[in-house]
Amino acid sequence: GEDVEQSLFLSVREGDSSVINCTYTDSSSTYLYWYKQEPGAGLQLLTYIFSNMDMKQDQRLTVLLNKKDKHLSLRIADTQTGDSAIYFCAAGEASGTYKYIFGTGTRLKVLA
Amino acid sequence: NAGVTQTPKFRILKIGQSMTLQCTQDMNHNYMYWYRQDPGMGLKLIYYSVGAGITDKGEVPNGYNVSRSTTEDFPLRLELAAPSQTSVYFCASSINTEAFFGQGTRLTVV
Repeated sequence: GEDVEQSLFLSVREGDSSVINCTYTDSSSTYLYWYKQEPGAGLQLLTYIFSNMDMKQDQRLTVLLNKKDKHLSLRIADTQTGDSAIYFCAAGEASGTYKYIFGTGTRLKVLA
Repeated sequence: NAGVTQTPKFRILKIGQSMTLQCTQDMNHNYMYWYRQDPGMGLKLIYYSVGAGITDKGEVPNGYNVSRSTTEDFPLRLELAAPSQTSVYFCASSINTEAFFGQGTRLTVV
């Protein structure tokens, strides 16, 4: 089955760019997602990308997809302290049930 | 905008007790899911449903049961609680590409 991997921690200074990386194993995944989880809260969808796209930009967020290497990244420009959270990468199964396989999450800490 | 509502938010259970985690959504979504989140781990799919009356197992279904008698509700049942079921449980619903998550239920089994 699908496996999604992420590094566990990332620390950046306020105002810098953050890049969170993710690799997945199932090349048939149709959608790839980035979710944000703040302490004590549920998951909030940040953005997603179709597997036939290379890049998607949404305000401060840029998603890059390298389908050949099965590598997904999320870049946050001008990172703010409010961006401190856990970021989950998820792959959407192509079977029609819209099941999501989540990575372990990357804890982003933004230093003032 | 209620979205996905889970109750309770917190619960402590003794080993061997049973309980039902409630989940309801008001978005008329066909797809609903139960995930558990363990510390330092991603979310693991317990059960999912593609519509009323249809449920199926996810990655980690052992020790749990679900039912889906209506589009809105998708309760998760623990019959004989075990310490290994200590976790945060998330319910989600989706219509196609976007899943909406509840706030979670933090369950401790002692």
